[in-house]
Amino acid sequence: QKEVEQDPGPLSVPEGAIVSLNCTYSNSAFQYFMWYRQYSRKGPELLMYTYSSGNKEDGRFTAQVDKSSKYISLFIRDSQPSDSATYLCAMTASGTYKYIFGTGTRLKVLA
Amino acid sequence: DTGVSQDPRHKITKRGQNVTFRCDPISEHNRLYWYRQTLGQGPEFLTYFQNEAQLEKSRLLSDRFSAERPKGSFSTLEIQRTEQGDSAMYLCASSLVEGGYTFGSGTRLTVV
Repeated sequence: QKEVEQDPGPLSVPEGAIVSLNCTYSNSAFQYFMWYRQYSRKGPELLMYTYSSGNKEDGRFTAQVDKSSKYISLFIRDSQPSDSATYLCAMTASGTYKYIFGTGTRLKVLA
Repeated sequence: DTGVSQDPRHKITKRGQNVTFRCDPISEHNRLYWYRQTLGQGPEFLTYFQNEAQLEKSRLLSDRFSAERPKGSFSTLEIQRTEQGDSAMYLCASSLVEGGYTFGSGTRLTVV
C-alpha cells in the first residue's frame, strides 16, 4: 500500500462546475500538506499549503484537511478550461524535509 | 524573483555516459530539493540541502548519483554511467521555510 493514494482520473467536468480532488494517506504523522498543479511537460506549481487540520481558501481554491480520516481535498470553484492539468497532493511529517507525492489526478474542464 | 531555473531543459545521452544538471534556486531561499518524476507518477524525493549542507538523501540516490551545492547557491546533480532506467524528469525546488516549495521547469533526461 502506498503512503499517499490519489485517483489518477481522468476527471472530466463541464466549465463552471465545482471540482473535488482528493487524497488519502496512511501515515498519521503527516502534518504539512500541499496541492500542486502540473501542466504537461512543466514543473509543478504550488496552489495551496496547509498545516494540520482545517480549511484554507485562496480565490477559487479551497483546501481541506481531515486528519482523523487521513483525507485531504482540494475544491476548485467555477472551473475553467485553463484548469485542465494534473493535480498533485504532497505531504510530510514534522522533522523531515521529504514530501511524499500522490500520483496525481488528471482533470479536464470542457468548454 | 525570477523563479527556480534549471539547465538544460532537455538532455539526450547514450547509456553509460555521465550527465550533469544545474539548478539555480530563488536567491533568498536557503533550502533546495531534487526530485525525480517518471511518466504518470508523482515526484519522488532524491535529496535536500540547507545552505551548502546535504541533510537528507533518498535510497533512490544510488552511488551513481551525486549532488552538490557549493557555497549554498546553485546546485548540480550528476549521474554517472547512465542507465535507461534513469530516463525521467529531474525537478529542482527551493523554499525559504519548511513547506511551500517552488519548483523549476525540470530537466528531461532521455537515455538511449
